[in-house]
Amino acid sequence: EVQLVESGGGLVQPGRSLRLSCSASGFTFDDYAMHWVRQAPGKGLEWVSGISWNGGKIGYADSVKGRFTISRDNAKNSLYLQMNSLRDEDTALYYCAKKGSSWHFDYWGQGTPVTLSS
Amino acid sequence: QSALTQPASVSGSPGQSITISCTGTSSDVGGYNYVSWYQQHPTKAPKVMIYDVSNRPSGVSNRFSGSKSGNTASLTISGLQAEDEADYYCSSYTSSNTLVFGGGTKLTVL
Repeated sequence: EVQLVESGGGLVQPGRSLRLSCSASGFTFDDYAMHWVRQAPGKGLEWVSGISWNGGKIGYADSVKGRFTISRDNAKNSLYLQMNSLRDEDTALYYCAKKGSSWHFDYWGQGTPVTLSS
Repeated sequence: QSALTQPASVSGSPGQSITISCTGTSSDVGGYNYVSWYQQHPTKAPKVMIYDVSNRPSGVSNRFSGSKSGNTASLTISGLQAEDEADYYCSSYTSSNTLVFGGGTKLTVL
């Protein structure tokens, strides 16, 4: 059974940093690209970032480019999101998602909440 | 990276069919057959219902179908059931090698 478990979220002040983690199991992690998708309270889904199976291809949404860094450790079956210079608008539930056979996400974690508050 | 355009809400009675539209541009929806649809119930993670415009993952009811014409994709749910009440999001691959979601549509089963 595929499982994606996010961690690392919490309450943080604007301007500070936070590192999210996603632990994967139930599939061959290094065969698949992985992504982060967020959802602000009461709002829709927003793609944040994605990384290819070996880290060779990385993409970011314009809203986080230059502030967030995605990475993965295939030996640990883990995905990460380093978030710097956090802003109020980064408040959201952050989902880790596994890319399917095409440009879609076939498995999602339950999300880890990030709340910005001064 | 503007969000794809979806109606904010749609509704239908049990047994009826409804269609949700998703409008983008030639740089996303119109340029690639990489449109997906997700169903999200309250407090739950999204679930893929359709990928590559019209493909249904294993386990998804054949009451769900997808199509595309030009820059607009559509999700049709036939034989509406109470359990279909949820938020639905479309997404598309883009020419910038990114992904963009629609704003979401709340489906109410009357």
